[in-house]
Amino acid sequence: NAGVTQTPKFQVLKTGQSMTLQCAQDMNHEYMSWYRQDPGMGLRLIHYSVGAGITDQGEVPNGYNVSRSTTEDFPLRLLSAAPSQTSVYFCASSPRLAGDEQFFGPGTRLTVL
Amino acid sequence: AQSVTQLGSHVSVSEGALVLLRCNYSSSVPPYLFWYVQYPNQGLQLLLKYTSAATLVKGINGFEAEFKKSETSFHLTKPSAHMSDAAEYFCAVSPAGNNRKLIWGLGTSLAVNP
Repeated sequence: NAGVTQTPKFQVLKTGQSMTLQCAQDMNHEYMSWYRQDPGMGLRLIHYSVGAGITDQGEVPNGYNVSRSTTEDFPLRLLSAAPSQTSVYFCASSPRLAGDEQFFGPGTRLTVL
Repeated sequence: AQSVTQLGSHVSVSEGALVLLRCNYSSSVPPYLFWYVQYPNQGLQLLLKYTSAATLVKGINGFEAEFKKSETSFHLTKPSAHMSDAAEYFCAVSPAGNNRKLIWGLGTSLAVNP
């Protein structure tokens, strides 16, 4: 199993550009989530999904969209990038919501100029 | 609201010394508790978790944590630090009940000095 994969590893955008961060998992997990990690702020949940076709907002959803058309894929879209979105983004998956380990991808380091 | 507090954003120990990373949580019901580790430029991986079985939980790489309900704590320990333990450590809580998203502490950066 590849686990959770994320592409790209690094990305530089200009303010106002849009892009999609890709996330895929091959473990047939129901739950997938996107976090951003900023110095001194820990991990903050952006969006999450409890299954194909079902998504919900986390604590910092503004400026991001998600969709979940398949169990495997959970892309994160930046609609109009802003410097405040400079961060490291992690995708995670787990079999269900409570008590199960979350498996993390290697992260995408995004810089918005 | 549920919260997780990690005391000390930076901890420095000597190689061979005891590692103690503190985590306190607020929860009205016994939760699920986790410790994750993040090595430089990598994603997070699970060290150990508490899911209402034994209160002393053993994890990977010689780490263990003890759930103390009376103190609402889940401190992480390792008897003897190794240079390879230098990393960021995160405590997280999954409250029992309908809302089960993980609540994260801000992390503790562990430095191990030779």
